[in-house]
Amino acid sequence: VLTQSPATLSLSPGERATLSCRASQSVSSSLAWYQQKPGQAPRLLIYDASARATGVPARFSGSGSGTDFTLTISNLQPEDFAIYYCQQRGPVTFGQGTRLEIK
Amino acid sequence: QVLLVQSGAEVKKPGSSVRVTCKASGITVRSYVISWVRQAPGQGLEWMGGIISLFGTAHYAQRFQGRLTITADASTTTVNMDLNNLRSEDTAIYYCVKGGYANWFDPWGQGTQVTVSS
Repeated sequence: VLTQSPATLSLSPGERATLSCRASQSVSSSLAWYQQKPGQAPRLLIYDASARATGVPARFSGSGSGTDFTLTISNLQPEDFAIYYCQQRGPVTFGQGTRLEIK
Repeated sequence: QVLLVQSGAEVKKPGSSVRVTCKASGITVRSYVISWVRQAPGQGLEWMGGIISLFGTAHYAQRFQGRLTITADASTTTVNMDLNNLRSEDTAIYYCVKGGYANWFDPWGQGTQVTVSS
C-alpha cells in the first residue's frame, strides 16, 4: 500500500512543493511519480525514485528509498498545479494522489 | 517516439461486455509490455493487467480475474482489452500504457471513456 500526503496542498506560484509517499513495506528505489492534469492522461515525471523522465524540467526532483519518498517541485509554475501520484512496481500499486492547487 | 491511440468512447448496459483497442506506433523492439489502467470518476489510478507482446502472456490484477482478457496482435501492434459482465462501478476512463512488469508506465494512451448504464 502506498500512502500519499497531504491529500491537498495549496501553494502559490514561485513556492516550493513537497509531496510525500510512504510504502507499507520497503520497495528499495522502485518508485515512480506521475503528474495528471484535468482531462489528460497521466505523465511520467520521476522513475527509480530520483531519475527525471525525458523532457521533465529540472525543478522536479525525487528522493528517498525503502519506504519514504518525496517529490519536490521548486519554484512552482502555473502549469505545475495538478494531481500527483506515486507508484510502485511489484505489485503495481498507485498512491491515492496529492492535489496541488493554487493558493 | 512511441504513440498509443485508443478506440472511442463506449456506452454499455450492465451485464454486457466492452472491448477497448490500443494501437501502438513507433515501437522498434519485438517485445514490449502494454498495461491497462483505469480511473473511475474523481478517483485515482487502478492497474488492471498487462501483456507481453512477444509471448502474448497476460497477467491480471486479482480483482479482475475471470472478467478481464487482454490480447495482443504483434503484426498490427494492437492490444485489446475485453471486460465482461459490466456493472455500473466499471464506469471509468480506461488507459493503455506502455510498461508494466519491470518497466515504468510511459507513454500513455489518450484514454477511453466507458460508461455502464441501464
